[in-house]
Amino acid sequence: GQNIDQPTEMTATEGAIVQINCTYQTSGFNGLFWYQQHAGEAPTFLSYNVLDGLEEKGRFSSFLSRSKGYSYLLLKELQMKDSASYLCATLDSNYQSIWGAGTKLIIKP
Amino acid sequence: DAEITQSPRHKITETGRQVTLACHQTWNHNNMFWYRQDLGHGLRLIHYSYGVHDTNKGEVSDGYSVSRSNTEDLPLTLESAASSQTSVYFCASSEGTDYNEQFFGPGTRLTVL
Repeated sequence: GQNIDQPTEMTATEGAIVQINCTYQTSGFNGLFWYQQHAGEAPTFLSYNVLDGLEEKGRFSSFLSRSKGYSYLLLKELQMKDSASYLCATLDSNYQSIWGAGTKLIIKP
Repeated sequence: DAEITQSPRHKITETGRQVTLACHQTWNHNNMFWYRQDLGHGLRLIHYSYGVHDTNKGEVSDGYSVSRSNTEDLPLTLESAASSQTSVYFCASSEGTDYNEQFFGPGTRLTVL
């Protein structure tokens, strides 16, 4: 079956670095993306990886290892506004998106 | 500016009633999607469309239907609402199938009593 696993909740301190992991098992693979979702709001796109390696975009970076079925989202210089849920999702062989349940990130001062 | 809107934002209905949720996008995207989001679950795909007159079933399509008569709109209909369909519904659109950055609407909170 198809499955995406990510931690339910994480806590970090303002100014620090946090890594949110995501492991996946899907029927075929056409990329992995990360979205941010603030409480009560719609998800917004953060990153897309289809090849192995690290993609950096400002304070956020996303890593992919296709052989390990593994990705992580790295957030640096954490700010209070980064408190949100972070959703990992993959595209399967039919280009349908499969979503994890999300990781709620709590930032403490 | 291009956008994607949903209406209504909140809806309370009774079991057995037919309900239609509207989704309208001005991105001119070919692809449109409907998801539901429940606590403890990821977004689950209900239906999707890759163009006018094209519709496809997603993971949780039972009890839902869609139609695509133009590029801008993909209404979602619950034929006979059930309490299990109480959820937050998100509509999304995207430009292509190989790079799937989806743009999401603000969501509709539906309660079925």
